[in-house]
Amino acid sequence: AQKITQTQPGMFVQEKEAVTLDCTYDTSDPSYGLFWYKQPSSGEMIFLIYQGSYDQQNATEGRYSLNFQKARKSANLVISASQLGDSAMYFCAMIGGYGGSQGNLIFGKGTKLSVKP
Amino acid sequence: GAVVSQHPSRVICKSGTSVKIECRSLDFQATTMFWYRQFPKKSLMLMATSNEGSKATYEQGVEKDKFLINHASLTLSTLTVTSAHPEDSSFYICSAEDRRSNYGYTFGSGTRLTVV
Repeated sequence: AQKITQTQPGMFVQEKEAVTLDCTYDTSDPSYGLFWYKQPSSGEMIFLIYQGSYDQQNATEGRYSLNFQKARKSANLVISASQLGDSAMYFCAMIGGYGGSQGNLIFGKGTKLSVKP
Repeated sequence: GAVVSQHPSRVICKSGTSVKIECRSLDFQATTMFWYRQFPKKSLMLMATSNEGSKATYEQGVEKDKFLINHASLTLSTLTVTSAHPEDSSFYICSAEDRRSNYGYTFGSGTRLTVV
């Protein structure tokens, strides 16, 4: 069975600093997709970044980058130059099947990030 | 980009009444929609998978007679919480599968249900 583990219930970071949110996963599928979502207090799920299991390079989207270490089954999210608006819950999720469109997403428990001014 | 409109965003209802939550894909056809439930400070738990024109597939432990899902068109899926009780109070959020995108999923904005 697929599983996502986020071991950091909460994290603090100083504004303008970088922060890494940890995510490890477990799957027996050779192809899979990994996602990070941001959920502010309003509740909406905001897509941040996607990494396919066969992607050769780590995904990057603006200030977000994904540190993908396939052998270690980890997909940590790095947020550079933190902003106050980054304070939110962050969820790591995965799906079986390359391309991210086969079945439902499985979520980790989330990490609450608080950015200090 | 793909947009999923979810309504209502908040609803308060009396115990014993039913509440309908709608999720509508605005600019794409969503063959499959997923319904999640989220308790405060917890993760999203899949309740059911809704496929257009067929019966929904419910996750273990989810009462299909209590949480009625209808996916009658390629752009609309509804979740009806029947005979709601205070323990049904939660945040419900839908996600549509967008096969045009590598990223695959677009979420609605969620519905915060409070049963009094």
